[in-house]
Amino acid sequence: GQQVMQIPQYQHVQEGEDFTTYCNSSTTLSNIQWYKQRPGGHPVFLIQLVKSGEVKKQKRLTFQFGEAKKNSSLHITATQTTDVGTYFCAGMFSGGYNKLIFGAGTRLAVHP
Amino acid sequence: DAGITQSPRHKVTETGTPVTLRCHQTENHRYMYWYRQDPGHGLRLIHYSYGVKDTDKGEVSDGYSVSRSKTEDFLLTLESATSSQTSVYFCAISVPGNTEAFFGQGTRLTVV
Repeated sequence: GQQVMQIPQYQHVQEGEDFTTYCNSSTTLSNIQWYKQRPGGHPVFLIQLVKSGEVKKQKRLTFQFGEAKKNSSLHITATQTTDVGTYFCAGMFSGGYNKLIFGAGTRLAVHP
Repeated sequence: DAGITQSPRHKVTETGTPVTLRCHQTENHRYMYWYRQDPGHGLRLIHYSYGVKDTDKGEVSDGYSVSRSKTEDFLLTLESATSSQTSVYFCAISVPGNTEAFFGQGTRLTVV
């Protein structure tokens, strides 16, 4: 079936440390998206990656899409307390009428 | 925020009773989704719609049905609620050609 695996499930870091979360699909994706959910909130779109090997940056966040379009990563440099939340990847599969399948998410805790 | 309203926001219901959750959008977006969110499982797709009266099953559709008689409304029905359906339910919308999904505020459902 269409699944997106995401690791780790939890990550605790000291403020200033880096953080990375990884996503993997068994089949090729049309695109992959990343979302952030703050505690008690709803998921909010961060970015979309479409091209093989694509790398995009948003300030301290770096997003990568693998060459085979099956894996992706989100890297945060020098975490801040405002980065706290759960980060989800979401894969879109071909022919799926915009069907988005989410990973289980990585919950990030940042200790000051 | 996109014009998405979920109702009710909170509900407690008894096992065996039918429950309907409503998602209303003012954006005239074609695609609508229902997800459930549980600890350790991330967001799991229940059903989605790609147009009026056009719906399809997601990853965890058993025990749920949906209807979309108007572009703006997507209803999720639990025919006979069970305790395993206690969860937070999110509705989302997106448009063709732009796969970013916008989420509603969520409905917290407790089945006792």
